[in-house]
Amino acid sequence: SAVISQKPSRDICQRGTSLTIQCQVDSQVTMMFWYRQQPGQSLTLIATANQGSEATYESGFVIDKFPISRPNLTFSTLTVSNMSPEDSSIYLCSVAYGGAGDTQYFGPGTRLTVL
Amino acid sequence: AQTVTQSQPEMSVQEAETVTLSCTYDTSENNYYLFWYKQPPSRQMILVIRQEAYKQQNATENRFSVNFQKAAKSFSLKISDSQLGDTAMYFCAFMRASNTGKLIFGQGTTLQVKP
Repeated sequence: SAVISQKPSRDICQRGTSLTIQCQVDSQVTMMFWYRQQPGQSLTLIATANQGSEATYESGFVIDKFPISRPNLTFSTLTVSNMSPEDSSIYLCSVAYGGAGDTQYFGPGTRLTVL
Repeated sequence: AQTVTQSQPEMSVQEAETVTLSCTYDTSENNYYLFWYKQPPSRQMILVIRQEAYKQQNATENRFSVNFQKAAKSFSLKISDSQLGDTAMYFCAFMRASNTGKLIFGQGTTLQVKP
């Protein structure tokens, strides 16, 4: 399985600011995803990070709020923009080596608290 | 739309005993994948087991096995010889056999293994 790292592991931010979360994989992967896990809740897919093109967002998530980059096959970033306390969550990236039916492996997550 | 339901918010088991976690799902698809992920307090999502819907044989992985009932849309996880390290939140997840790679998660079951 992949070795996936995320930075930062946690952060406390003021409302109205933005935070960029990085996801790095130790080898090239076909697909990268970003999920949100609100406190005490399950995981919800935010978007699929597409290499060299715009991310594909799920219903309820928009690019202005969660801009995503994927400049190559091993790296992606998620920005949480103009944060409010409701954005306090764990943000996780996941990767799949093969196609969409392939198993996804998750990074360690970034715990974000917005004051 | 697909949904995943885990009806047991919390469960406990004595060390060395066997426990079964329940999961049901709703879909009109015929081809799909099912997963169990484990999330210990460290919040790292760890793959436990994967099942392809076209396979009649139940997947097993060491002490972990599933009971996959396609007609009943049921996908339970059995943990044998429970260990303290099995204490975690367990999530059941569904993925369509398409080109999106989207994982749909259940609400999770918190499992406590008692010494």
